[in-house]
Amino acid sequence: EAGVAQSPRYKIIEKRQSVAFWCNPISGHATLYWYQQILGQGPKLLIQFQNNGVVDDSQLPKDRFSAERLKGVDSTLKIQPAKLEDSAVYLCASSRGPDSGNTIYFGEGSWLTVV
Amino acid sequence: ILNVEQSPQSLHVQEGDSTNFTCSFPSSNFYALHWYRWETAKSPEALFVMTLNGDEKKKGRISATLNTKEGYSYLYIKGSQPEDSATYLCASGIASNTGKLIFGQGTTLQVKP
Repeated sequence: EAGVAQSPRYKIIEKRQSVAFWCNPISGHATLYWYQQILGQGPKLLIQFQNNGVVDDSQLPKDRFSAERLKGVDSTLKIQPAKLEDSAVYLCASSRGPDSGNTIYFGEGSWLTVV
Repeated sequence: ILNVEQSPQSLHVQEGDSTNFTCSFPSSNFYALHWYRWETAKSPEALFVMTLNGDEKKKGRISATLNTKEGYSYLYIKGSQPEDSATYLCASGIASNTGKLIFGQGTTLQVKP
């Protein structure tokens, strides 16, 4: 079974530029998550999709971050304009459903450095 | 918002040592506790998902226990090996229809040969 795929793996941009990350979840997984992990902190949920609908985006900085999951499969996360504090690993993950007893499967992450 | 705390923040041990870490979480409205291992340049890997008070799970040399009444979980590694070097994350989920998990900040383990 193929895992969660993410790209790009690494990205360096200047502040005020934009960046987009792509994620392809495990086939058949209805729930998709984007987490932000800043060095020294635990992963923080940015947005959670159930199929192509948003179920939680309470911690997404909506003035600069946006995400979509068209057709309920792949997802993109965009940052525009980027700030220095956006430097982090962006982890995409998926699970069979929204029950917190379900195992969440992570991708390898997209490492963003904003200079 | 839940507050999940892990200790210690980092740990250095010699090969062959046994070690353990702690994850503390709010016990009210508890539903599930997850442990993940995250090796550098790889994806976080699920180790255990536990839901019942008193639960104990084992995977090779790694085991975990859960106390939902007092809000803590221990992860044990017996006879640490260099390949155990990683960051170990715990995450707690409450009973809800979103399945949201709150992660701790992780414990980074370095095992010296």
